[in-house]
Amino acid sequence: EPEVTQTPSHQVTQMGQEVILRCVPISNHLYFYWYRQILGQKVEFLVSFYNNEISEKSEIFDDQFSVERPDGSNFTLKIRSTKLEDSAMYFCALGRLTDTQYFGPGTRLTVL
Amino acid sequence: GESVGLHLPTLSVQEGDNSIINCAYSNSASDYFIWYKQESGKGPQFIIDIRSNMDKRQGQRVTVLLNKTVKHLSLQIAATQPGDSAVYFCAESGSGGSNYKLTFGKGTLLTVNP
Repeated sequence: EPEVTQTPSHQVTQMGQEVILRCVPISNHLYFYWYRQILGQKVEFLVSFYNNEISEKSEIFDDQFSVERPDGSNFTLKIRSTKLEDSAMYFCALGRLTDTQYFGPGTRLTVL
Repeated sequence: GESVGLHLPTLSVQEGDNSIINCAYSNSASDYFIWYKQESGKGPQFIIDIRSNMDKRQGQRVTVLLNKTVKHLSLQIAATQPGDSAVYFCAESGSGGSNYKLTFGKGTLLTVNP
């Protein structure tokens, strides 16, 4: 199973502030994903990223969100102006040429 | 529209018993299904997967059954252990192109009593 780390493990921010969540894959992957999970709810797809561009995004992934791989290694999710309802666990997931996706430990985002 | 849901939100079993967790899906185009285990404060952990051209797949102590006729998926855990206590999610992926996003069900909380 591929390894992936996410930083920070917990981020507390004020409403309206920008946050950047990072995903660091340990091994090479082709497909990158961000999902989120609001407390007590199911995991929801946000965006998929392949070949350095977004391949699909959900309705949740509006103009406040962006993703990139700035150095070809780290995979980041940026929320430009956080809202209270952005509070959730954010998971990075990785995939290769199969459909199996492996999830990171997550970043807990708390917006005050 | 597509959706994945679970019949039972909670399941409590005795250590050593077999557990069965069920999942229903509505998208007949789904061709790939995964079961994940999520412990408190952690990310979903891959357990087992199955493609739509199969109806059964076995792993270590786990078996996934797929019934495409009624769009039903189940996860069987043999000789359930306290360490199996977690929330279990089924997820499905539709077919075609780069559409590999996973659609998750609501989750079933499995509690194993010693």
